[in-house]
Amino acid sequence: DVVMTQSPLSLPVTLGQPASISCRSSQSLVSSDGNTYLNWFQQRPGQSPRRLIYKVSNRDSGVPDRFSGSGSGTDFTLKISRVEAEDVGFYYCMQYTQWPLTFGGGTKVEIK
Amino acid sequence: QVQLQESGPGLVKPSETLSLTCGVSGCSISDYYWAWIRQSPGRGLEWIGTLHHSGTTWYNASVKSRITTSTDTSKNQFSLSLNSVTAADTAVYYCAAYTRPGGLDYWGQGAQVTVSS
Repeated sequence: DVVMTQSPLSLPVTLGQPASISCRSSQSLVSSDGNTYLNWFQQRPGQSPRRLIYKVSNRDSGVPDRFSGSGSGTDFTLKISRVEAEDVGFYYCMQYTQWPLTFGGGTKVEIK
Repeated sequence: QVQLQESGPGLVKPSETLSLTCGVSGCSISDYYWAWIRQSPGRGLEWIGTLHHSGTTWYNASVKSRITTSTDTSKNQFSLSLNSVTAADTAVYYCAAYTRPGGLDYWGQGAQVTVSS
């Protein structure tokens, strides 16, 4: 199974400042079709996860453009350019290049 | 807009069977693959399995011997059964829509299931 490792576990951020979350996979997520299948999800307190990003860097409709995804191979990043109060919660990466689908352990974003 | 809603008992006794249904609205059950995911403090987010109305399934090895899934096109819903449950199966269970390009596109609200006598 592909192990997904996120860091940091906790990320205190000042409002209006940038934030960056790392996600590393135990093996390359490049599929045989040439695509890299990685999601980022946001889970606000008391809510279910919501997809932000698919295939590494494609932002979902309705997701603010302050969220961006990047990376390749085994190393991926979710960036928030200017953190807002509504961004508080947990963030998870998930690979879907191969079965089983596997998630990172999560990063808690909170306001300083 | 695709919407998903889990339903089922919130309390299951050890060694019995956990059964959940996911109602789908906003699309046909044949439009997507469907997934079950669970979340617990000790195990985080764990993919359980993915199914398609054609009968194709993929299951996590951790539950493969205990899981059954199905779709009901007449009711536009799909189901999960997990037998011989233990306290380790206590979690919030989510259903979700899966696509190859997008991954887990849409999620339900989640259903808390507690395994306890």
